[in-house]
Amino acid sequence: DAGVIQSPRHEVTEMGQEVTLRCKPISGHDYLFWYRQTMMRGLELLIYFNNNVPIDDSGMPEDRFSAKMPNASFSTLKIQPSEPRDSAVYFCASSLQQGGNEQFFGPGTRLTVL
Amino acid sequence: SQQGEEDPQALSIQEGENATMNCSYKTSINNLQWYRQNSGRGLVHLILIRSNEREKHSGRLRVTLDTSKKSSSLLITASRAADTASYFCATDPISGGGADGLTFGKGTHLIIQP
Repeated sequence: DAGVIQSPRHEVTEMGQEVTLRCKPISGHDYLFWYRQTMMRGLELLIYFNNNVPIDDSGMPEDRFSAKMPNASFSTLKIQPSEPRDSAVYFCASSLQQGGNEQFFGPGTRLTVL
Repeated sequence: SQQGEEDPQALSIQEGENATMNCSYKTSINNLQWYRQNSGRGLVHLILIRSNEREKHSGRLRVTLDTSKKSSSLLITASRAADTASYFCATDPISGGGADGLTFGKGTHLIIQP
């Protein structure tokens, strides 16, 4: 298996633009997580899915952020409109069965909003 | 929300020495995990210790867990330059839902001097 795949690896955009981040979890993993990492706040859980269903989105900072998982092999995190304070590295991770198990992280998407 | 806090924030040692990092957390947990992050990469799972375990070993890694003090330590023996990375503890809290995501600390940045 290729591991968790994220695209793009780098994204530079201007304030106000829509940004879509993509993730392909490891095949067979039931849980998918989206995290945001910044120097100031560390690694924050934004939202997670179980069997394609959003379970907890309390970490999503505001309505500008949305996430979907239309099938077991694909998820998106969308920011619309983007703001400079959204600049961060966004990670997708997946795990088997319960969320407390080992998580496998993708390489991340480094987002810069100018 | 509960959060693991690593100590120290940064650690620099000579190659061959042992490195010890600590993690404290606030509420009861099912398990505690340690992850490594190399610069510009995603997190990689190192070891998981369950709440009923006190010590666990994996190669040059030794993890201890003291649930009465709500703390854990990660010891890396005979350090190598390749161990240079950030190390994070992550806790799986006990909750009614039973499927919460992990909560990560801000990490310890370890530098191994050759």
